[in-house]
Amino acid sequence: DAGITQSPRHKVTETGTPVTLRCHQTENHRYMYWYRQDPGHGLRLIHYSYGVKDTDKGEVSDGYSVSRSKTEDFLLTLESATSSQTSVYFCAISDRAGMAPQHFGDGTRLSIL
Amino acid sequence: SQQGEEDPQALSIQEGENATMNCSYKTSINNLQWYRQNSGRGLVHLILIRSNEREKHSGRLRVTLDTSKKSSSLLITASRAADTASYFCAMNRDDKIIFGKGTRLHILP
Repeated sequence: DAGITQSPRHKVTETGTPVTLRCHQTENHRYMYWYRQDPGHGLRLIHYSYGVKDTDKGEVSDGYSVSRSKTEDFLLTLESATSSQTSVYFCAISDRAGMAPQHFGDGTRLSIL
Repeated sequence: SQQGEEDPQALSIQEGENATMNCSYKTSINNLQWYRQNSGRGLVHLILIRSNEREKHSGRLRVTLDTSKKSSSLLITASRAADTASYFCAMNRDDKIIFGKGTRLHILP
């Protein structure tokens, strides 16, 4: 399995609190992605990164920010969590944009009460 | 949205039977990929088919792509209990990959 670690794996927090999810890779892949998975919606792209300090928005980026200060780490931040952000969050990595298969972490289950 | 749509949403078959899942999409794509997701885990890449290919095989998996109909199918032959999972198609367009909503496959003993 590709070396991707997401932390925490589970988190419960309250509306209005800041939350940061971490994705750490040991594959030295250039591209990193954050997705959320919700019933009836499949996986939706939140943000992605194509290099250190290079990020771009996905289709559901409102309420989320990301940072990538090192190749191996990609952080997803919810500045002020809302109940609609309750979801399972997946990090994925790729060594090539689009063409290459992506490897996924095992997800973070986030509940906003 | 160019999100893919898998069909059926759920499928239950007897062990040993073949399972077929379909994926349709709306806009032109560069490539299409299929993934498996076991409960509580991340997605695992199964197979990639390029837009200029019509069929690919990998073990018990057979994928077809019909760009004129904007559809793809995934066939799993001689199903096993371990094939129980959700299966997703994903379309590559430019630098992004867009996922469908998935088919839940349940293999009955």
